[in-house]
Amino acid sequence: ETGVTQSPTHLIKTRGQQVTLRCSSQSGHNTVSWYQQALGQGPQFIFQYYREEENGRGNFPPRFSGLQFPNYSSELNVNALELDDSALYLCASSLRLAGTGTEKLFFGSGTQLSVL
Amino acid sequence: AQSVTQPDIHITVSEGASLELRCNYSYGATPYLFWYVQSPGQGLQLLLKYFSGDTLVQGIKGFEAEFKRSQSSFNLRKPSVHWSDAAEYFCAVGAEGGGADGLTFGKGTHLIIQP
Repeated sequence: ETGVTQSPTHLIKTRGQQVTLRCSSQSGHNTVSWYQQALGQGPQFIFQYYREEENGRGNFPPRFSGLQFPNYSSELNVNALELDDSALYLCASSLRLAGTGTEKLFFGSGTQLSVL
Repeated sequence: AQSVTQPDIHITVSEGASLELRCNYSYGATPYLFWYVQSPGQGLQLLLKYFSGDTLVQGIKGFEAEFKRSQSSFNLRKPSVHWSDAAEYFCAVGAEGGGADGLTFGKGTHLIIQP
């Protein structure tokens, strides 16, 4: 167990709808990253949040957005869902220390999103 | 741009036999290199990582990996596999905690263990 929990575990949505996925970081971690893993592929980096601000972003359109809360939990929001958004969405938390960089990632078990 | 290639989509190994999973990477700076394992319905578990120092890295569950800068490779090995090693294995490159660019993963190698 990594201490990173994601909800829900499974979700079915219709094309055009909006979805919110949630992640609770491991205790003490101040950084959260989100990855999309399509079937048969490796995870792809969506974005990272540090101290409630977006710290970096992969090649994903603006309809993918996120939030990090003061307790370091996080949300991933996807608007105008497309069929290709069907994937496993993984959250990973880590501890970023001033001057020494970020420690290793701890991954949750993911949310499986199906878009019909 | 950073990239990772895992040439083998599937590998089948007999239980007790040795294993080598291949990984080639491209990265502009000195990379952190990682191997992760993913069991069905699970997230990613870190097996080992390399940044500097000894090019042979020991990890959990009896795995090791060797960094070869001249070949841009970071192959994962295990002397004797167990049925419980059946899973998806991912090689990744990037900064320690992913950083602003995140980790870049390969497409994975599916390991099948024959009894």
